[in-house]
Amino acid sequence: RKEVEQDPGPFNVPEGATVAFNCTYSNSASQSFFWYRQDCRKEPKLLMSVYSSGNEDGRFTAQLNRASQYISLLIRDSKLSDSATYLCVVNPSNSGYALNFGKGTSLLVTP
Amino acid sequence: DVKVTQSSRYLVKRTGEKVFLECVQDMDHENMFWYRQDPGLGLRLIYFSYDVKMKEKGDIPEGYSVSREKKERFSLILESASTNQTSMYLCASSFPAQANYGYTFGSGTRLTVV
Repeated sequence: RKEVEQDPGPFNVPEGATVAFNCTYSNSASQSFFWYRQDCRKEPKLLMSVYSSGNEDGRFTAQLNRASQYISLLIRDSKLSDSATYLCVVNPSNSGYALNFGKGTSLLVTP
Repeated sequence: DVKVTQSSRYLVKRTGEKVFLECVQDMDHENMFWYRQDPGLGLRLIYFSYDVKMKEKGDIPEGYSVSREKKERFSLILESASTNQTSMYLCASSFPAQANYGYTFGSGTRLTVV
């Protein structure tokens, strides 16, 4: 089952660029949504939760569109240190406590 | 900060060996999870537990079992290791309500079965 789908990329962008990732989910009853960041050979770490009203944390903006069942992450003024894989994560209401992870979108920011 | 500790970063085992991967969390979380992560396949849920002695199968439980005798410890057992179980294994934990707030992951165990 592909409950969470993301474009795997890679997205290669120059420093300072704005880049956006999208993610779609299949379960319309899903309760909560997240973006995680994963550096090469490291564990995933929570980047931000995604709220219905949209939310911003510095250069990062997350949006949720429940009607279309997609989530987006916008990164402004990209830094070299933003290079990582970004995982879209969904908490479906019917699977108990287990989150569903997308396969991730790879971002490479170049000088 | 919540800490989730996995006992080994790197492990090499032989085919047919019984392998134990240990995970300990220090924040009194009810929920604990085992995932494996492979290139192109993403994270796949093996087992999870929402209480001591409770366990639930995830998407790929075959060839694995788990043990949760204490709240802070969740062990993944490979009954008879095979080369297709070579992978990165990630443990995570959360409070039940914090399924709405995400997980905290351990740093992972990279297992190679030869």
